[in-house]
Amino acid sequence: AQTVTQSQPEMSVQEAETVTLSCTYDTSESDYYLFWYKQPPSRQMILVIRQEAYKQQNATENRFSVNFQKAAKSFSLKISDSQLGDAAMYFCAYRRKIDSGYALNFGKGTSLLVTP
Amino acid sequence: DGGITQSPKYLFRKEGQNVTLSCEQNLNHDAMYWYRQDPGQGLRLIYYSQIVNDFQKGDIAEGYSVSREKKESFPLTVTSAQKNPTAFYLCASREGGLNSPLHFGNGTRLTVT
Repeated sequence: AQTVTQSQPEMSVQEAETVTLSCTYDTSESDYYLFWYKQPPSRQMILVIRQEAYKQQNATENRFSVNFQKAAKSFSLKISDSQLGDAAMYFCAYRRKIDSGYALNFGKGTSLLVTP
Repeated sequence: DGGITQSPKYLFRKEGQNVTLSCEQNLNHDAMYWYRQDPGQGLRLIYYSQIVNDFQKGDIAEGYSVSREKKESFPLTVTSAQKNPTAFYLCASREGGLNSPLHFGNGTRLTVT
């Protein structure tokens, strides 16, 4: 089973600082996709960033970037220049194959608090 | 604008009653999903449908049922057999493509007393 582990239930960062959220996963597949989703208090799930396992280059989206370590099965999210609006639950997800399609397995989430 | 609409936002039911949660999408996506979210548990897959008139059980399907008669609609029924139905329910859809993400609705908070 492709499990996703987020070992930090809560994290805190000061505005304008940088924070890294951890994620590890377990898989026997060689080609797969990983995602980070953000869930603000509105509870809307918002895609933050995605990474394809066969690409060695780490994905970047503005202030969000990942550190993808395939051998270690690690997929951490770095948020630079943190803003108050970044406060949310963050979920790491692994794309798993089901029947003729795909679904996502999610970690339990990390709650990020941003302080002024 | 294209998107996924879940209704209602809040739903209250008495124990022993079946209840149906609505999910409609106008993104023209073939695949649709239902996830359940509990505090500290992340999202868990209930049911999924890769194409109209076909659906499969996910990881926690017991006490739930679905239908997929139209591409746009994927309603979820929470039956009286579901032992702990109070939760936040999220519907999602996905377009084709290996790296396509899931697009989510705004969710329905179901409270059963």
